[in-house]
Amino acid sequence: DAGVIQSPRHEVTEMGQEVTLRCKPISGHNSLFWYRQTMMRGLELLIYFNNNVPIDDSGMPEDRFSAKMPNASFSTLKIQPSEPRDSAVYFCASSRLAGGTLGEQFFGPGTRLTVL
Amino acid sequence: AQSVTQLGSHVSVSEGALVLLRCNYSSSVPPYLFWYVQYPNQGLQLLLKYTSAATLVKGINGFEAEFKKSETSFHLTKPSAHMSDAAEYFCAVSDRGGADGLTFGKGTHLIIQP
Repeated sequence: DAGVIQSPRHEVTEMGQEVTLRCKPISGHNSLFWYRQTMMRGLELLIYFNNNVPIDDSGMPEDRFSAKMPNASFSTLKIQPSEPRDSAVYFCASSRLAGGTLGEQFFGPGTRLTVL
Repeated sequence: AQSVTQLGSHVSVSEGALVLLRCNYSSSVPPYLFWYVQYPNQGLQLLLKYTSAATLVKGINGFEAEFKKSETSFHLTKPSAHMSDAAEYFCAVSDRGGADGLTFGKGTHLIIQP
């Protein structure tokens, strides 16, 4: 079974540019989460979806951040325009809403974003 | 609001010694608690989870954790440390078994001395 797939693994961009991070959840999972990890703030939940519907986006830092989940197998996190303080590792995780692994979140390898 | 406090940003133990990583939680409802491990440049991997079925939870790689409601604690232990245990460990709490987002502690970096 393939795990959660994230792309790109590394992204270096200049301030003001648009950045799009991509995530493919585990097949059969119906919840998807976006987290951000920084040294200063640790791991923070940005937004999560159930059955492709955004449930809680209160962690999204600013209007510059947006996330979509057009179908069960794909999600994007977009930052426009990007700023140096957005530099972080962004993780995507997925889980089931029912079944034996209920609530267990499986994490992708992360995207390391550097904004110059 | 729920929160997690991990005591000690760095813990150093000798190989073969007991590992104890501390986690205290705050939650307004009976919590679901998790321990995750992160190896360098990798994502997080679930070690174990508490979902009210049993207070002593056994996980992977010989780790276990005990839920103590009176102390609001969920400390992680392993009887004998191995060099491969060196990693970052995160305690997390959820109100809905992880179906909602997880609230993580700051993490504890475990160092294993040879």
